Amino acid sequence: DAGVIQSPRHEVTEMGQEVTLRCKPISGHNSLFWYRQTMMRGLELLIYFNNNVPIDDSGMPEDRFSAKMPNASFSTLKIQPSEPRDSAVYFCASSHKGRQYSNQPQHFGDGTRLSIL
Amino acid sequence: QKEVEQNSGPLSVPEGAIASLNCTYSDRGSQSFFWYRQYSGKSPELIMFIYSNGDKEDGRFTAQLNKASQYVSLLIRDSQPSDSATYLCAVNIPYNQGGKLIFGQGTELSVKP
Repeated sequence: DAGVIQSPRHEVTEMGQEVTLRCKPISGHNSLFWYRQTMMRGLELLIYFNNNVPIDDSGMPEDRFSAKMPNASFSTLKIQPSEPRDSAVYFCASSHKGRQYSNQPQHFGDGTRLSIL
Repeated sequence: QKEVEQNSGPLSVPEGAIASLNCTYSDRGSQSFFWYRQYSGKSPELIMFIYSNGDKEDGRFTAQLNKASQYVSLLIRDSQPSDSATYLCAVNIPYNQGGKLIFGQGTELSVKP
């Protein structure tokens, strides 16, 4: 089975430009997560969706960041306008929502390495 | 206090030894615990998960959970240089039905030939 698919793998763009990152979760998974990873801050959860509905976006750093999930097989994370401090690796992960008090494992995509010049 | 704490390392062990990685968590209601391995420049890869107190073994890996002490560990037996990576501990948010996990900062493991 295909895993979580992210695109692009690498993105280099100039400050002020719009950046769109894409994610296709594992088929049948109903939870999707966007993370950002840097050396300084580690792995940070930005936002997650259950059944295509945003549940918690408290990790989104600023209004410049937005995420959508128009259907069960596709999500985007957009940064507009981008800034050099947004440079990081962005991961998408998906899981199957489990029982009420336990969770199923999350499976990660290969990530998008974003560099803002 | 951080919600999930790990020693950042690096933890250095000789090839063939047992590597012991530790993680503590703050919320007693947590029910699901995960270990991920992340090679440099790669994405986190799930290697073990555990839900019940005690030990869970999978090949050279053993996860140990002690909910009373709020402690979860990962043992790697017969460590190999290919085990050199950062190991991330992740814990669920109690009563959160959305599947949200809290990740530790990770422990860097180096296995020397």
